[in-house]
Amino acid sequence: AQSVAQPEDQVNVAEGNPLTVKCTYSVSGNPYLFWYVQYPNRGLQFLLKYITGDNLVKGSYGFEAEFNKSQTSFHLKKPSALVSDSALYFCAVRARDSGNTPLVFGKGTRLSVIA
Amino acid sequence: AAGVIQSPRHLIKEKRETATLKCYPIPRHDTVYWYQQGPGQDPQFLISFYEKMQSDKGSIPDRFSAQQFSDYHSELNMSSLELGDSALYFCASSSDGSEAFFGQGTRLTVV
Repeated sequence: AQSVAQPEDQVNVAEGNPLTVKCTYSVSGNPYLFWYVQYPNRGLQFLLKYITGDNLVKGSYGFEAEFNKSQTSFHLKKPSALVSDSALYFCAVRARDSGNTPLVFGKGTRLSVIA
Repeated sequence: AAGVIQSPRHLIKEKRETATLKCYPIPRHDTVYWYQQGPGQDPQFLISFYEKMQSDKGSIPDRFSAQQFSDYHSELNMSSLELGDSALYFCASSSDGSEAFFGQGTRLTVV
């Protein structure tokens, strides 16, 4: 079975400071890993993914994430946070060899960037 | 670029009524997923279709059913609605088993 843990319900960071949103996963075999962002009353927007290759993945809006196989983590990072980054962030996983099985999401982390 | 289209965006129904939600996936995407997101919750997988055949089933109640049509659009049919069915319902589509792209969702309110 696949699962995702986002240990922080809420992350607060000052504008201009670096931000990290944590994610760890459990999956049989190699994972596909994803980050999505959700603004109020909106759908989930795809940010970035790790499929294979470089462990550091760059995505939309200046976000990046680092895949760490030994720690089974895929933390989302941004060097300088913006107030407009305030939203709900979801990490998701799928086993690489599972075809088109659905993504499994974490519980989400609410990011609040304070001006 | 074309995105996933869901209709309606908002729906208000009374208890025990039925509702039908529609989803139009991104062209040439072969897989459609339905998710339910309750207030303050993460998206919960309901059901999916690959090339118009049901492929996976999640926590979909027996009162709900879904299908995918020849034009690849999908419909989620919900009967005997309960107050607890009030949620955001998302459709997502993907191709080649990679990332899923989500629609804006249908907010269902059961009163």
